[in-house]
Amino acid sequence: DAGVTQSPTHLIKTRGQQVTLRCSPISGHKSVSWYQQVLGQGPQFIFQYYEKEERGRGNFPDRFSARQFPNYSSELNVNALLLGDSALYLCASSLSDRGGSPLHFGNGTRLTVT
Amino acid sequence: QKEVEQNSGPLSVPEGAIASLNCTYSDRGSQSFFWYRQYSGKSPELIMSIYSNGDKEDGRFTAQLNKASQYVSLLIRDSQPSDSATYLCAVPAAGNKLTFGGGTRVLVKP
Repeated sequence: DAGVTQSPTHLIKTRGQQVTLRCSPISGHKSVSWYQQVLGQGPQFIFQYYEKEERGRGNFPDRFSARQFPNYSSELNVNALLLGDSALYLCASSLSDRGGSPLHFGNGTRLTVT
Repeated sequence: QKEVEQNSGPLSVPEGAIASLNCTYSDRGSQSFFWYRQYSGKSPELIMSIYSNGDKEDGRFTAQLNKASQYVSLLIRDSQPSDSATYLCAVPAAGNKLTFGGGTRVLVKP
């Protein structure tokens, strides 16, 4: 079975631009979460979606938004990019939105903002 | 106080030895705990999950949970150079939001 797939793998953007990252969960997984990981730190929670509804939002500005589609895939949008948005963006899927349901991560999208 | 804390390392161990990693957490209500392995430039990979007090063994990995003391540990037996990576401890908060520690970098020297 295919794992979590993310696209693109790498992206270079200029400050002020907008970016859209895409994620397809493992087949049968209905929950998708987004994390940001800057170099040398653990991943930080951005959003969780379950059955197309937002179930949680981390401490990120309103420039970050996301949505989940009927096929459970998801997009993360970031507007007005800042240099500090440069990071590895990770998508994870899980069977449910309950705390004991393990998250499985995709390979990530590395975003560089210049 | 950070919600999930790990020693950043690096933890240097000789090949064949036991690597011992620790993680402390602040939420006494936490019920499940996860260890992820992350190679440089790659995404985190789930290697262990533990839900009950005591030990859980999976191959060369053993996770130990002590809820009273609010710590979870990971032992890697017979460490191999391929075990060199950053190990992330993660604890679910509300729903399935994971709070990660900063990770412990492990270096296994041949």
